[in-house]
Amino acid sequence: DGGITQSPKYLFRKEGQNVTLSCEQNLNHDAMYWYRQDPGQGLRLIYYSQIVNDFQKGDIAEGYSVSREKKESFPLTVTSAQKNPTAFYLCASSIGGRGTSTDTQYFGPGTRLTVL
Amino acid sequence: QKEVEQDPGPLSVPEGAIVSLNCTYSNSAFQYFMWYRQYSRKGPELLMYTYSSGNKEDGRFTAQVDKSSKYISLFIRDSQPSDSATYLCAMSGVGFQKLVFGTGTRLLVSP
Repeated sequence: DGGITQSPKYLFRKEGQNVTLSCEQNLNHDAMYWYRQDPGQGLRLIYYSQIVNDFQKGDIAEGYSVSREKKESFPLTVTSAQKNPTAFYLCASSIGGRGTSTDTQYFGPGTRLTVL
Repeated sequence: QKEVEQDPGPLSVPEGAIVSLNCTYSNSAFQYFMWYRQYSRKGPELLMYTYSSGNKEDGRFTAQVDKSSKYISLFIRDSQPSDSATYLCAMSGVGFQKLVFGTGTRLLVSP
């Protein structure tokens, strides 16, 4: 059963703590993405990766970090430097690859992070 | 001005109505246009994907792109309560470029 999984579904964090959100895909996609969704603001791109061991900042990368050591996995760390981390975080993947035309992105179920 | 504008709604219609959802955009380089449906507290799911101008139909859904007016639409025929969701438009240019999303329109279909 192919797809994108994100865990946990809900996450609570105290101020000042780092937290890592998991994203795994078994679609054999090269490209993976992290978005943040806030009410009234739509989806904003945090980081994306076109291939393993390479990633680029999106529009709102400050306070976040990522790694891409395996094709299937693209974890996102929300650091204590992120001033307003409470949001719905969405991971996506696409066939991707360098130099390819735009292809559709498929989304995971999301992780809702709340900072207490 | 945002690159992509979308009315947030909510748009309330009775069951069986024809629904029209729209987005306008300012970047003439956009060539790929998508519509996603997002149920509450879930990830978006792809509904329609079109390239350049024209119409595309899939069951009760029709996507329409008018590049001359920088305007895209999604029509839903015979709307059902299960269509109640937020609909996001998204678009990008040629090559590996990021998707630009609208803020989403919330649709409510009452039985």
